[in-house]
Amino acid sequence: AQSVTQPDIHITVSEGASLELRCNYSYGATPYLFWYVQSPGQGLQLLLKYFSGDTLVQGIKGFEAEFKRSQSSFNLRKPSVHWSDAAEYFCAVGAMEYGNKLVFGAGTILRVKS
Amino acid sequence: DSGVTQTPKHLITATGQRVTLRCSPRSGDLSVYWYQQSLDQGLQFLIHYYNGEERAKGNILERFSAQQFPDLHSELNLSSLELGDSALYFCASSVVGQGMNTEAFFGQGTRLTVV
Repeated sequence: AQSVTQPDIHITVSEGASLELRCNYSYGATPYLFWYVQSPGQGLQLLLKYFSGDTLVQGIKGFEAEFKRSQSSFNLRKPSVHWSDAAEYFCAVGAMEYGNKLVFGAGTILRVKS
Repeated sequence: DSGVTQTPKHLITATGQRVTLRCSPRSGDLSVYWYQQSLDQGLQFLIHYYNGEERAKGNILERFSAQQFPDLHSELNLSSLELGDSALYFCASSVVGQGMNTEAFFGQGTRLTVV
């Protein structure tokens, strides 16, 4: 069965500082991985996805993530955080063998201080 | 805008009642997924329909049911509601259901409050 762990419930960074949100997954085969962002009262917006190929993927809003098979990780990064990035971030794993349903992590709430 | 439309956006109802949540997928998407987001359980997969047929079930209660209609819109029916059913219910759609990696696009959700 698939599972996802986001070890940090809350993270606070200063505006302009770099950001890394951690995500570890468990899945027997090659997973496909996603990061979604949710602003308060909003739906889930896809930031980026990894299906195969280049392990460093670029997403929207200046985010990137790196797939590391040896560490079962898919950490999200941004070199310089903006106040508008404050939101909750979810890592998710899917598998076409399971009909592409997603298993989500518990989420990380990002606070940005000015 | 993801192209996935969910109605209503908010719903307040009493315990024991029944409600229907509606989802219109993106144009051309055959798959519809329902997820529940609650404070204690997080985001949980409920059920998946592909082109009108149920494909997978997750942590969906027997009091809950869903269907996908010929025009591909889907409805999630919640009955005998309890306080613990209060949550944000998301619908997502994708082009395919299985056999091919694809991404899902989420609607804005329906916030259900049971009082």
